[in-house]
Amino acid sequence: ETGVTQTPRHLVMGMTNKKSLKCEQHLGHNAMYWYKQSAKKPLELMFVYSLEERVENNSVPSRFSPECPNSSHLFLHLHTLQPEDSALYLCASSESWTGGYEQYFGPGTRLTVT
Amino acid sequence: AQSVAQPEDQVNVAEGNPLTVKCTYSVSGNPYLFWYVQYPNRGLQFLLKYITGDNLVKGSYGFEAEFNKSQTSFHLKKPSALVSDSALYFCAVRDRDDYKLSFGAGTTVTVRA
Repeated sequence: ETGVTQTPRHLVMGMTNKKSLKCEQHLGHNAMYWYKQSAKKPLELMFVYSLEERVENNSVPSRFSPECPNSSHLFLHLHTLQPEDSALYLCASSESWTGGYEQYFGPGTRLTVT
Repeated sequence: AQSVAQPEDQVNVAEGNPLTVKCTYSVSGNPYLFWYVQYPNRGLQFLLKYITGDNLVKGSYGFEAEFNKSQTSFHLKKPSALVSDSALYFCAVRDRDDYKLSFGAGTTVTVRA
């Protein structure tokens, strides 16, 4: 295991639902990330947090809303999603968002929007 | 701007044969380079990275990669592949003056017994 956990592992939601994805890292890292992984496409960086402050919002639609209450926890709040938002959502952490530090990934949440 | 190209969608090798997964990159400055592996229904696992120093980098599970600045390449290699190496491999690059990590589209490696 990488020290990064994500819940739930699978989620099916309708377009009018509201749900949240949770990520927790046990590595003492200062930076956390949300990525979207779609089939046959490179990973897309969605959000970056450093010490609970958002560093980057990578032109993500407002139906995705991140929250970082402390350096160990990261949430992604979802509402009124579209079918094209179905994907694997990966959380990652690293010692710092600068420098040559590798990122450690959680197992992901497989999201299906119906 | 930075980008990564993995020119092969799939690589097939026999167990015991050498394995190479190709990666080329483009950055405006000096790069940090990474390789990750993803097994089915799992997140990405870090394999190795190039930060500075020796161009040949050794990583987990017997993998290594060579940084070639003139060819802007960072190919992943393993001298003798195992069936358990079958997975999806991602190359990633970051400009030292940027924070964003850019990933390639991935290469599926299949090692047949």
